[in-house]
Amino acid sequence: AQTVTQSQPEMSVQEAETVTLSCTYDTSENNYYLFWYKQPPSRQMILVIRQEAYKQQNATENRFSVNFQKAAKSFSLKISDSQLGDTAMYFCAFMKFTSGTYKYIFGTGTRLKVLA
Amino acid sequence: NAGVTQTPKFQVLKTGQSMTLQCAQDMNHEYMSWYRQDPGMGLRLIHYSVGAGITDQGEVPNGYNVSRSTTEDFPLRLLSAAPSQTSVYFCASSYSTNYFGYTFGSGTRLTVV
Repeated sequence: AQTVTQSQPEMSVQEAETVTLSCTYDTSENNYYLFWYKQPPSRQMILVIRQEAYKQQNATENRFSVNFQKAAKSFSLKISDSQLGDTAMYFCAFMKFTSGTYKYIFGTGTRLKVLA
Repeated sequence: NAGVTQTPKFQVLKTGQSMTLQCAQDMNHEYMSWYRQDPGMGLRLIHYSVGAGITDQGEVPNGYNVSRSTTEDFPLRLLSAAPSQTSVYFCASSYSTNYFGYTFGSGTRLTVV
C-alpha cells in the first residue's frame, strides 16, 4: 500500500529566508503524480505545485520548487524568500490512476510558521 | 467566482441528529470527493463520485451517505451524528484525470456534542 510521510510536524523560518519541507512516499508504481497543497489559517486548501513522476525536471512555481528524487522516493518542497503569507499547514500528496479512477494519499502535514 | 462552494462553514449537532453538508462546483468537473481532516491524520477519503449517478466508498465511509444526481452537486449526509464525526470536512473536485490536482471547498467545521 502506498504511504506518504512528512516527518516534520512543525517548522519555522525567518522572513526572506529559504526553508525546505520534506516528504517521502512508498510505492511500487512507476507512473504517478505528486502534489504539495497549502492550507493557511483560513482553512482553504490550495494547490502549490505538482510533479509528474515520468518527468525528470523538477517543477517550479515562482518561489516554490521541488526536489524530486524518484529512486529515493523523496519529494521535498523548497520555499525561497519566505513571506509572512506562507504561514500555513503544508500537505504532501501522492496520486495514481488505477482501475478507472485515481487514488490520493495525503501526508499528515507540516505546520510552517514564517517569523517577522 | 468559479470554484467549490461548501455550506455551512460551521455546524454543531447533537448526538443522533442528522444533517446534510452541501457541496457545489461550477467548473464542470467530473470527479468529486469528500474528505475529513483530523489532527495528525491528514485527509481521509469518505466517498467519491466519478460522474453523475456514480458514487463509491472511500477509506472511512461508515456513518455517511452521498448521492450525485447532477454534475454540479455532491451532498454528504450524516445519518445519525456521533462525537467521532467531529471533524473538518472538505469537498474537492477535479477533471476526470485529476492530473492537475483538486480544487477544494473552504471546509465545514462540524462539532457533535
